[in-house]
Amino acid sequence: EAQVTQNPRYLITVTGKKLTVTCSQNMNHEYMSWYRQDPGLGLRQIYYSMNVEVTDKGDVPEGYKVSRKEKRNFPLILESPSPNQTSLYFCASSSLGFNEQYFGPGTRLTVT
Amino acid sequence: KQEVTQIPAALSVPEGENLVLNCSFTDSAIYNLQWFRQDPGKGLTSLLLIQSSQREQTSGRLNASLDKSSGRSTLYIAASQPGDSATYLCALGWEYGNKLVFGAGTILRVKS
Repeated sequence: EAQVTQNPRYLITVTGKKLTVTCSQNMNHEYMSWYRQDPGLGLRQIYYSMNVEVTDKGDVPEGYKVSRKEKRNFPLILESPSPNQTSLYFCASSSLGFNEQYFGPGTRLTVT
Repeated sequence: KQEVTQIPAALSVPEGENLVLNCSFTDSAIYNLQWFRQDPGKGLTSLLLIQSSQREQTSGRLNASLDKSSGRSTLYIAASQPGDSATYLCALGWEYGNKLVFGAGTILRVKS
């Protein structure tokens, strides 16, 4: 089954404690991206990757890091999380940047 | 800057009604437009994708249209059912951003 998986699905953490949210896709897609979704603001892109070892900033990259060492994986790293990073995070992939996007189930992060 | 607006923000209709959701955008330099469905606590599911050269796409009871010159798209849902209750988002593949730009969504409730 074609899918995008994210882990964990729910995470509560404290300010400053480094965390990683994993994202993996099994469709051999070139393009992967991370979004955050906040009430009233919709989905905003954090980072995207056009291919292995190629990443670029989206609209709200501050406080986040990503890496793309393998085609299937695109982890999101929060080196020092802060309460304003409390949000619902989605990973997505597609064969090319604007083709049909496949979204993961989301990770709800709470930073206290 | 590309801005995407969805109207109405929320809609409640009785079962069986035909309904239209609206999406407007400010910059017509788009590759395509996608409509997504999001169920509470879940990820986004792609419903329809319209390329910039197309006028409409249909899938079952759903029909999406695109008018680039006026910066508008509509999602028509025929014979609505309670199972259609969800948030519907439109997203543009914008030529100047290598990314999707999302609207804030329309929350649809279909009452039985």
